[in-house]
Amino acid sequence: GESVGLHLPTLSVQEGDNSIINCAYSNSASDYFIWYKQESGKGPQFIIDIRSNMDKRQGQRVTVLLNKTVKHLSLQIAATQPGDSAVYFCAEKTAGGFKTIFGAGTRLFVKA
Amino acid sequence: DVKVTQSSRYLVKRTGEKVFLECVQDMDHENMFWYRQDPGLGLRLIYFSYDVKMKEKGDIPEGYSVSREKKERFSLILESASTNQTSMYLCASSSDRGSGNEKLFFGSGTQLSVL
Repeated sequence: GESVGLHLPTLSVQEGDNSIINCAYSNSASDYFIWYKQESGKGPQFIIDIRSNMDKRQGQRVTVLLNKTVKHLSLQIAATQPGDSAVYFCAEKTAGGFKTIFGAGTRLFVKA
Repeated sequence: DVKVTQSSRYLVKRTGEKVFLECVQDMDHENMFWYRQDPGLGLRLIYFSYDVKMKEKGDIPEGYSVSREKKERFSLILESASTNQTSMYLCASSSDRGSGNEKLFFGSGTQLSVL
């Protein structure tokens, strides 16, 4: 069945450095992709999304890149801060569908 | 801001008990979802509802049922709790108007322990 997976379960970066979190997806029919951030004791929170007709989308300090050829999604965080420490989930949907499929998550540690 | 409220942050129940997890959203969203979250497995969809009194099975519905009598409220029911249902339960809502592009808004979760 469809699945969304992550290459690395944990990532440790120095404060101020850029972070890159990767994600692979397997469903070619997926056309909407989302990144969520989950801080300790909270539910996941939307960060940024991208539709399949785009390759790149930028937000505040975050950029999502989509490579449909190899079914790869990445989240880039610029100038990583201690407040960015969290678990990050990539997720996918298909147009008209109700189900969002989540990856296993990557835990980001930010070292001061 | 959208608010999704789950009635309990922590619950401890005994095997065989009937358990109700309640979720309320205040943004008039059509869609509501129940996920469970387990370490290393991400979020797995249990049930969802796209309208009042409508429900659809997700990926892991066994051992669970749901109720949506009002648009703002979506309840998850464990008919006879078992130890393998110990987990974090997350409720979410979305205003998906058919484009498939709407994001989920999550509650803070209920950590259920079944002893």
